[in-house]
Amino acid sequence: AQKVTQAQTEISVVEKEDVTLDCVYETRDTTYYLFWYKQPPSGELVFLIRRNSFDEQNEISGRYSWNFQKSTSSFNFTITASQVVDSAVYFCALSEFNQAGTALIFGKGTTLSVSS
Amino acid sequence: NAGVTQTPKFQVLKTGQSMTLQCAQDMNHEYMSWYRQDPGMGLRLIHYSVGAGITDQGEVPNGYNVSRSTTEDFPLRLLSAAPSQTSVYFCASSYSQDYEQYFGPGTRLTVT
Repeated sequence: AQKVTQAQTEISVVEKEDVTLDCVYETRDTTYYLFWYKQPPSGELVFLIRRNSFDEQNEISGRYSWNFQKSTSSFNFTITASQVVDSAVYFCALSEFNQAGTALIFGKGTTLSVSS
Repeated sequence: NAGVTQTPKFQVLKTGQSMTLQCAQDMNHEYMSWYRQDPGMGLRLIHYSVGAGITDQGEVPNGYNVSRSTTEDFPLRLLSAAPSQTSVYFCASSYSQDYEQYFGPGTRLTVT
């Protein structure tokens, strides 16, 4: 069965530190998609990135970067020079294909606290 | 575009009551889904739909019912509320199954 593991429940850093959030997934599908979402204290869910299983290139967007490694089934997320506004719960998710369509399987999330 | 809207934002129910959580999107997305979020559990899929007239169960469907008569709307019905259904409920939509999902603001439900 598909599964997403975010082993880090909570991480605390001081502003300007770099921080990496780990995501390990399990799937038997050869074609799948991975996602990261951010949930700030206000509660909404914000989409950050989508990556398909055939694209192993790392991606950088400003202070955010993602490292996708199929060999280790990992899709890790790094925030460079963290800021207080980065404080949030971050979810990694995996698309699951079945007879009726696709569902997203979420990890349990990592709570990131950035202090000034 | 309003995106994905959910009503109500907050609701308190007594055990055994029924109610419908409303979800609507104006992006002409085919794919819509409902999740519940509980502390330490992440988001768990309740039901989803790949288009009008087509729905299927997710990971935790018991006690919930859905229908999809239009592309825009995907209501979630609680048939007989139980305290275990106290949670935050999120509706989401996406262009297709493989694309990012856009989430509504959530409904915080308390069942006493």
